[in-house]
Formats: sequence, structure tokens, C-alpha cells
Amino acid sequence: NAGVTQTPKFQVLKTGQSMTLQCAQDMNHEYMSWYRQDPGMGLRLIHYSVGAGITDQGEVPNGYNVSRSTTEDFPLRLLSAAPSQTSVYFCASSNGGGNSPLHFGNGTRLTVT
Amino acid sequence: GENVEQHPSTLSVQEGDSAVIKCTYSDSASNYFPWYKQELGKRPQLIIDIRSNVGEKKDQRIAVTLNKTAKHFSLHITETQPEDSAVYFCAASRGVLTGGGNKLTFGTGTQLKVEL
Repeated sequence: NAGVTQTPKFQVLKTGQSMTLQCAQDMNHEYMSWYRQDPGMGLRLIHYSVGAGITDQGEVPNGYNVSRSTTEDFPLRLLSAAPSQTSVYFCASSNGGGNSPLHFGNGTRLTVT
Repeated sequence: GENVEQHPSTLSVQEGDSAVIKCTYSDSASNYFPWYKQELGKRPQLIIDIRSNVGEKKDQRIAVTLNKTAKHFSLHITETQPEDSAVYFCAASRGVLTGGGNKLTFGTGTQLKVEL
């Protein structure tokens, strides 16, 4: 199993550009989520999904869209990038049980200039 | 929503000493409290977790304690080693969402440095 795979690892965008951060898991996990990590602020939940076709907002959803058409994939879209979205983004999944840990991907470091 | 506060933000200990990191949470309905370790440039990884029906849990040199009345929980690392140096995050959630998964709220992290 590859686990949770995120692409790209690094990305530089100009203000106003759009892009999609990819996340795929091969563990058949129902639950998937996106977090952003900023210095001194921990990990903050952007969006999450409890299964294909179901998504919901987390703590900091503004400026981001998600969709979940398959169990495996959970892409995060930035429609018009802003410097405030410079961050490290982590995708995570779990199998839905109460004692199930979150499995994180390796992260995407995004810089918006 | 849930708010998790974590202290201290940095912690420096001598090798072999103990380290304690403390977190408080605001939502009395929270019942799941995991701890994650993140090494520099790596992903966060679960090291231990505890549920609200348990007051303490141990795994070798790591232990977590929970005080539901006071709404705080702590991570204890004994006999620290250089490889324990990392950022540690606490988190809390109300437990399994309808359909599955834990919607975790994280603390702001503690940078632990174990000095030789």
C-alpha cells in the first residue's frame, strides 16, 4: 500500500492563479480531510468528506473547494490563489472507526507570490 | 466549535529527563484525544491516543493522562532520547462522525528538543 499520496510536493503560484492539489489513498478509507499547517498555528481543518459524494466545511474553508467523486480521491482546489494561502497542505484519511488514526500524506508546500 | 490550547510552545530537556506537554479543550462533548509527532519536514504521525472513558494510557516511554472534569490532557515522555526531538501536537474530537472519521481540532504544537 502506498497509503496517502499527495501531489505535487512543491508549488509556486502567482496571485490569482488557480490550481488543484491532488490526494489519493489506496486503503479504502471512507473519511478524508485536508489540513493546512502554518507556523505557530498547528493544523487547521479546511474541508472533509465522510464518503464519496459527501463533503463538508472545516474551520478555514474560504478560498478552497473540494469534491469526492470516488472513495480514493479527494482533490483540493484553489480558485484564485492569495498570498494568505501560502502554507503546507496535508491530506489525511482514516477508515472511519472510533479508534482509527488519521493517516497523513507527505504534504504539499505551496507558495503564493 | 472546539478550541484546543497547548503549552508550552517550546520545551528543552536533557537526555534521560522527562517531558510533559499539556493541552486544554473547550468542548465538553469531546471524547477522543490523540497525540501526533511531527519530525522536521515530515508528516504528522500518531503516537498515542486516549478516549474519555479512560483516565490514563501508557505505551512504553509514552503516557497520556486525561482529566475530563478540568478538560485537560497531558503527554508524558520518560527517559527522553535525542530521537524524541520533534514537534508534538495534541488534538480533540467529539468522536466518530456520521459516516465515519474523526474531525480533529489540533493544538498549536510543542517543539521538543532533547539535548545530549
